[in-house]
Parts: sequence; structure tokens; C-alpha cells
Amino acid sequence: SQKIEQNSEALNIQEGKTATLTCNYTNYSPAYLQWYRQDPGRGPVFLLLIRENEKEKRKERLKVTFDTTLKQSLFHITASQPADSATYLCALDLRTGGFKTIFGAGTRLFVKA
Amino acid sequence: EPEVTQTPSHQVTQMGQEVILRCVPISNHLYFYWYRQILGQKVEFLVSFYNNEISEKSEIFDDQFSVERPDGSNFTLKIRSTKLEDSAMYFCACRSPGQPQHFGDGTRLSIL
Repeated sequence: SQKIEQNSEALNIQEGKTATLTCNYTNYSPAYLQWYRQDPGRGPVFLLLIRENEKEKRKERLKVTFDTTLKQSLFHITASQPADSATYLCALDLRTGGFKTIFGAGTRLFVKA
Repeated sequence: EPEVTQTPSHQVTQMGQEVILRCVPISNHLYFYWYRQILGQKVEFLVSFYNNEISEKSEIFDDQFSVERPDGSNFTLKIRSTKLEDSAMYFCACRSPGQPQHFGDGTRLSIL
């Protein structure tokens, strides 16, 4: 069956540390993978997109890696801050002939001051 | 920065009634989407829309659902006869070719 799994429901880290979130998928062949941030009561906000032929992308304190052999993406937030506390969603854009995006359940990140 | 606007922010409807959720996507975006998120659960794909027709739809998007882009600016989701299990946040999203999706802040639909 097809699955997207994000490593844990919740992750607690200390301010200043690096947060690492994991997204694993099975039985999908995504054209690309995206990471979004979602705050309570709000819509997802796009953070980073990585294509199937890319290994790594960076944007400021954010880094994402994509391993299509392992079917895994890692999302890193360096020098984390309490304001980074949110739910982070992994999403796959599928090659279906049309346009379909499948989301993981998300990981809630809590950054303690 | 351009925004996706969804109205109303909260819709309360009696079971069995029709409901229309409205979205104003970012102008010049060509691809449009509806998602739902049941409280405490993941964001679920409902439908994508491109070139005035449905591009993909999920198993959730049954005959009770329809989408329309009636006037070139609005993008609507209609649920014909609502059920209790339709209660959720509904998000509209849009994008340009090769670009990521931009989401609205959703409409909370409560079915009584």
C-alpha cells in the first residue's frame, strides 16, 4: 500500500539546536517533494521544494535532502528558535498525468527557550 | 505578497443542506486545488483543476462534490447534500507552472 510517514508526532528540542524531521514514503514515485509549515488554524505555508534529481536544497536556516533510493527526505532547521515551533508537513507531488499532492500527517516541533 | 482568500472563514450548515465554499486564488496562477483537514488529522487532497476542468480527484471527491471557476477569478467547492463527516477545514490552493502551491487559511465547515 502507499504510505507517507513522518518520523514522529512530536519533537521537543532546545533553542539553538538543530531539529531534524524525517519523511519516508513507500510505493510512490514523486516528481518532487515539498515541506510546509502549518500553524494552528492556518493553512500550510510553503518552505522548500526539492526535485527528484536533486540531493539537497537550502534556504537560510533550512535544509532538505532527498534520497529517492531510500525513499526518504530529511528536513533540518539549524539554530532553532521558539518561533520555529509549528507542525511541519511533508508532501509528495505525484506523476499521475494530472496534478495530485499527498501530505504526510506532520511532525509537531516544540522549541524550548 | 499575493494571497489566496477564502470565504467564509466559518460556515455552519444543517446536515443535508448544500454548501458552497469560495476561494479567490492568486491572479495569473493556473492550477487550483481543494484539500480538507479533519480536526487533528492530515491534509487530504480532494481535487485539482486546470484549464477549466478537473485534472485529478481523490476517492473522497464523490458525486456530492463539484468545483467551478465561474468567472475567471473565483474558484468554488460545492457540497450538494452535506453529511456530518463533511465537517472539516477546507483549504484552497493555487500555483503557477513549476512552482509550489500557495494555500488560503481555510474555511471551517461545521455540519449540525
